[in-house]
Amino acid sequence: GEDVEQSLFLSVREGDSSVINCTYTDSSSTYLYWYKQEPGAGLQLLTYIFSNMDMKQDQRLTVLLNKKDKHLSLRIADTQTGDSAIYFCAESPDSSYKLIFGSGTRLLVRP
Amino acid sequence: NAGVTQTPKFRVLKTGQSMTLLCAQDMNHEYMYWYRQDPGMGLRLIHYSVGEGTTAKGEVPDGYNVSRLKKQNFLLGLESAAPSQTSVYFCASSPPFIVGTPSSYEQYFGPGTRLTVT
Repeated sequence: GEDVEQSLFLSVREGDSSVINCTYTDSSSTYLYWYKQEPGAGLQLLTYIFSNMDMKQDQRLTVLLNKKDKHLSLRIADTQTGDSAIYFCAESPDSSYKLIFGSGTRLLVRP
Repeated sequence: NAGVTQTPKFRVLKTGQSMTLLCAQDMNHEYMYWYRQDPGMGLRLIHYSVGEGTTAKGEVPDGYNVSRLKKQNFLLGLESAAPSQTSVYFCASSPPFIVGTPSSYEQYFGPGTRLTVT
């Protein structure tokens, strides 16, 4: 079945880089996504990567995809306190409109 | 545009009571979804709709019903609430689905409804 796994918690110092990891199971997923949830709010799409790409960079965000190992990572450079949130990895199995979310990684940025 | 709105924001129910959660979107999206979020479990899909008048079951549909009488609204009903339904409920919507078009895969989320069943 479909399953997306993430570690639950990450703590970094302000200014350092953060790396959030995710493993997924469905090799047919066309796109893989990172969503951000700030306290008391809904999820917001942060970035996505097409399955035939290895890397995507968007300002401070770098997404790396290893299709062979079904491993996705999100790197946030120069992490700020405003980056403190829960980050969800998601896949679209069978390339459908439905998303399967991981359990979320809570990122805490210490001053 | 207000985006996706949810009513109410908070609710406390006693076991056996019923209630309806309302989701509204003003983006003319075809697809709408109801999720529940529980600690350490991410989001799980309850029901979804691919258009006005249509609904389908998601991953965890038991104990819930839905209706999509108007394109902009998606209602989630609990007929007889149970403590296991204590959760945060999120509604989302997405534009018409076109295979291979990134923007059609993006889901827009409401702020959530925190429901406690005692």
